[in-house]
Amino acid sequence: EAQVTQNPRYLITVTGKKLTVTCSQNMNHEYMSWYRQDPGLGLRQIYYSMNVEVTDKGDVPEGYKVSRKEKRNFPLILESPSPNQTSLYFCASSLGQGAWGYTFGSGTRLTVV
Amino acid sequence: GESVGLHLPTLSVQEGDNSIINCAYSNSASDYFIWYKQESGKGPQFIIDIRSNMDKRQGQRVTVLLNKTVKHLSLQIAATQPGDSAVYFCAENANYGQNFVFGPGTRLSVLP
Repeated sequence: EAQVTQNPRYLITVTGKKLTVTCSQNMNHEYMSWYRQDPGLGLRQIYYSMNVEVTDKGDVPEGYKVSRKEKRNFPLILESPSPNQTSLYFCASSLGQGAWGYTFGSGTRLTVV
Repeated sequence: GESVGLHLPTLSVQEGDNSIINCAYSNSASDYFIWYKQESGKGPQFIIDIRSNMDKRQGQRVTVLLNKTVKHLSLQIAATQPGDSAVYFCAENANYGQNFVFGPGTRLSVLP
């Protein structure tokens, strides 16, 4: 089944403790992206990647890192999480930027205390 | 379930009626539009798309209308069913840009 898989689904952590949210897609998509979703603010793009070893900032990149060492994986790294990063995170992939719709993962609910 | 928006516009319709969800966009250069459906606890799911060279596109029970003059997009759902209850987002993209801009969403509730 074609899908985007995120892990974990739920995570509670403490301020400053590094964490990684994994994202993997099995559709051979070149384009991958991370979004956060907050009440009243909708979906906002954090980082995106147009291909292996090519990443760029989205609208809200502060406090986040990403890597794209292989086509299928696009992990989101929070080096020093803070409470304002408490949010619902979605990974998405597509055949190419801007021309096709995204396939989204099921989301990761992150709480930073 | 997951909270996707505490202050979303809400549309309530009777089961079997037609639903119309509206979206206004601001970028006159936007030329590709998508409607997504997000059910509680799930990620957004692609429903239907339309490019700016079209005014209307139909899918199974869904129709998207695009009015470029007033920068307005609508999603029509025929014979709304309980399974249609979800938050619906429009998304726009201009010139194959790197980012889709998502609307705030509308929560559709289907009444029995």
